[in-house]
Amino acid sequence: GAVVSQHPSWVICKSGTSVKIECRSLDFQATTMFWYRQFPKQSLMLMATSNEGSKATYEQGVEKDKFLINHASLTLSTLTVTSAHPEDSSFYICSARDRRGGERLETQYFGPGTRLLVL
Amino acid sequence: AQSVTQLDSHVSVSEGTPVLLRCNYSSSYSPSLFWYVQHPNKGLQLLLKYTSAATLVKGINGFEAEFKKSETSFHLTKPSAHMSDAAEYFCVVSMDTGRRALTFGSGTRLQVQP
Repeated sequence: GAVVSQHPSWVICKSGTSVKIECRSLDFQATTMFWYRQFPKQSLMLMATSNEGSKATYEQGVEKDKFLINHASLTLSTLTVTSAHPEDSSFYICSARDRRGGERLETQYFGPGTRLLVL
Repeated sequence: AQSVTQLDSHVSVSEGTPVLLRCNYSSSYSPSLFWYVQHPNKGLQLLLKYTSAATLVKGINGFEAEFKKSETSFHLTKPSAHMSDAAEYFCVVSMDTGRRALTFGSGTRLQVQP
């Protein structure tokens, strides 16, 4: 299968600072990537859809000014948590759509996740 | 609108016995359905997927799932559990059109007893 990487794998920051998380598709191009958030012992919740060359689409209740998404190229999307606060501490996971083989065979591959702790 | 319900939050089996993880879905159109596994402190791995081809889908590590439209179910099974199968399992449905975002079930934690 395809490989998606995330960097950093974990980060600790002070309240009020901004944190940038990178998501890369290593062996395929992804016009669409997704950002999820997972709280301990809970499921993944979709935050936003990252579209190459256009604005991200945010899910209801997700603050777009707080969670800035930039899909700079066909292999890179970044999520910036601005002015982070302790309640932003979570596990952030990205995925990328692999559309090689056509729409019917399309699969999403997930990054390993980034654990954010805001003190 | 689409949704997925995992009927058991926790399943415990003995090593060598069958595994059944239950999932029901709701979707306005013909869905694409997936099972993903998440081991502790690791990323999500795709086990198998259904995309309107054969209703019985075989995946990795001996897992398989059967799509039953009449029951709106997509249960995950394995004939014989292994200790390494202990993990969190997510049933997932894909948005039918457009950006195809995934909707995750709440997850089922599988425990395998020696």
